[in-house]
Amino acid sequence: AQKITQTQPGMFVQEKEAVTLDCTYDTSDPSYGLFWYKQPSSGEMIFLIYQGSYDQQNATEGRYSLNFQKARKSANLVISASQLGDSAMYFCAMRVGYGGSQGNLIFGKGTKLSVKP
Amino acid sequence: ETGVTQTPRHLVMGMTNKKSLKCEQHLGHNAMYWYKQSAKKPLELMFVYNFKEQTENNSVPSRFSPECPNSSHLFLHLHTLQPEDSALYLCASSQDSGGALETQYFGPGTRLLVL
Repeated sequence: AQKITQTQPGMFVQEKEAVTLDCTYDTSDPSYGLFWYKQPSSGEMIFLIYQGSYDQQNATEGRYSLNFQKARKSANLVISASQLGDSAMYFCAMRVGYGGSQGNLIFGKGTKLSVKP
Repeated sequence: ETGVTQTPRHLVMGMTNKKSLKCEQHLGHNAMYWYKQSAKKPLELMFVYNFKEQTENNSVPSRFSPECPNSSHLFLHLHTLQPEDSALYLCASSQDSGGALETQYFGPGTRLLVL
């Protein structure tokens, strides 16, 4: 069964420090994509970063990087130099293969990040 | 307008009302999606449309009725809802609905309260 697990319901980080949000996934399909989204209290789901299962290098996007460890099935999000505006819910998600499960973006339960001044 | 827009942003309705949620994407995408986000639950995929054709209905009750007149617009018609249908309804779009590489871009959502 395909599944995303985020084990940290809530995290605190001091402003300007780095923080790692954990995500593990489970799939037997060799072709999959891993995504991180940010959801502020306003509700909008904002796409942050993507990692494909065949990508050789870890994805980076500005202050966001994805620590992809394929053998351990983990895709942790690292936010460097945290800012107050980073306070939000963060969701890890996965899409698998082609065909029958078209459109199925599987989400974890999310991690609430709070950045302290 | 850019990205994915949704109207209304907030909606309160009685169980006997009929209302519609609207989603519009300005990204030139061909696939659109409806998701439901309830408190303390992961996002749940409801419907998928690709090139105006429904390709997935994730066992959604018939009181939710989607409509996709073209690749840029998606509606969710609501009738005789239950209080447990209160949630944040998110619309998303992607270039197409196939494959693991497609990034979905979301709208701001409609917060629905059913009384």
